[in-house]
Amino acid sequence: DAKTTQPPSMDCAEGRAANLPCNHSTISGNEYVYWYRQIHSQGPQYIIHGLKNNETNEMASLIITEDRKSSTLILPHATLRDTAVYYCIVRVAPSQGGSEKLVFGKGTKLTVNP
Amino acid sequence: GAVVSQHPSRVICKSGTSVKIECRSLDFQATTMFWYRQFPKQSLMLMATSNEGSKATYEQGVEKDKFLINHASLTLSTLTVTSAHPEDSSFYICSASKGHTEAFFGQGTRLTVV
Repeated sequence: DAKTTQPPSMDCAEGRAANLPCNHSTISGNEYVYWYRQIHSQGPQYIIHGLKNNETNEMASLIITEDRKSSTLILPHATLRDTAVYYCIVRVAPSQGGSEKLVFGKGTKLTVNP
Repeated sequence: GAVVSQHPSRVICKSGTSVKIECRSLDFQATTMFWYRQFPKQSLMLMATSNEGSKATYEQGVEKDKFLINHASLTLSTLTVTSAHPEDSSFYICSASKGHTEAFFGQGTRLTVV
């Protein structure tokens, strides 16, 4: 079963920041937070992952609370092409002996409006 | 990022026939690949873990004799849906990891059984 809780849907205006929350209150100390997104009728796309420090890459930023029980994915300037279902997943990193398989929850459907 | 390719992207077959779906890692070797199924408006459900040179590991409730998985090389895994029925119509997605890194997904295969 998925260990995360996400709102089923969110809307965002084009050009504005999109902030997608995720609750993972039962996360273990060695579990990472991963974010993927799935654009309609395509395979999921990796976005970012982190353990406890905030992370940023060319796609997004990941803010993890100090107690690690929740996190927020930030798309700084959302575009229409960012409309997708966003999945927050927690798991032990494969590099630390964790399984490579991903268990998907229901995700958040983000709609970016013009 | 790494590239995982699926073929075909769409297939329509008659009830009772078998369909083979290929998943290739184009620029890396993948000792493990994963097969998912996704029904409309639902999340991805892991079907099985495909291990190069050994038998696949199936998730609970997935019929191994119906969904045959072969992982003959480090860059190719195949999923064969045998004796397909309309209820097998779904979106099938594979993923692979480049060593102990994040998983990369294929573009998916839309199977329609008529």
